[in-house]
Amino acid sequence: AQSVTQLDSQVPVFEEAPVELRCNYSSSVSVYLFWYVQYPNQGLQLLLKYLSGSTLVKGINGFEAEFNKSQTSFHLRKPSVHISDTAEYFCAVSGRISTDKLIFGTGTRLQVFP
Amino acid sequence: DTEVTQTPKHLVMGMTNKKSLKCEQHMGHRAMYWYKQKAKKPPELMFVYSYEKLSINESVPSRFSPECPNSSLLNLHLHALQPEDSALYLCASSQDLGIRVQFFGPGTRLTVL
Repeated sequence: AQSVTQLDSQVPVFEEAPVELRCNYSSSVSVYLFWYVQYPNQGLQLLLKYLSGSTLVKGINGFEAEFNKSQTSFHLRKPSVHISDTAEYFCAVSGRISTDKLIFGTGTRLQVFP
Repeated sequence: DTEVTQTPKHLVMGMTNKKSLKCEQHMGHRAMYWYKQKAKKPPELMFVYSYEKLSINESVPSRFSPECPNSSLLNLHLHALQPEDSALYLCASSQDLGIRVQFFGPGTRLTVL
């Protein structure tokens, strides 16, 4: 079975500053990794995914994440945040068998201040 | 079309009512999912349909009854709900079970009085 931990429940940051949202996972098998964003009163939007290949993954809205197998991490980064990036961010993991479920972390609230 | 649509956007119902939530996608996806999300919590998987057949039921109470009439539609029938069932209900779809990229709809905000 897989699990995912998002250590930071809230991350406050000023506009135009860089940000990193941390995600660590646990699994005995190879995994797929995802970051989703949820704006207030909306559904989840896929930011980026790691399925295989290059460990540096670029997503939408200027976000990127790096898959680190030795540290079992998949941290999300953005070099310069905007007010509009204020949202809840969920890291998710799944195994590679078709019946494996998508397991979400508890979420990190990114609050960008002017 | 890369959207998953859900109706209604909001629903208020009493504990004796029967209502249905609807989800639709026209991406040709063959796997569809229902999730329940409580405030400030991650989504919790409820049901998975694959090729219009129920594949996973996460021990959801029988007052929630899913239905997949065709490959584009997914319904969730609600009956005799409890106030604690109030939540955001999210529908998602993926190309199939083996393709793990799920696309989510905007959700239905359900309030049970």
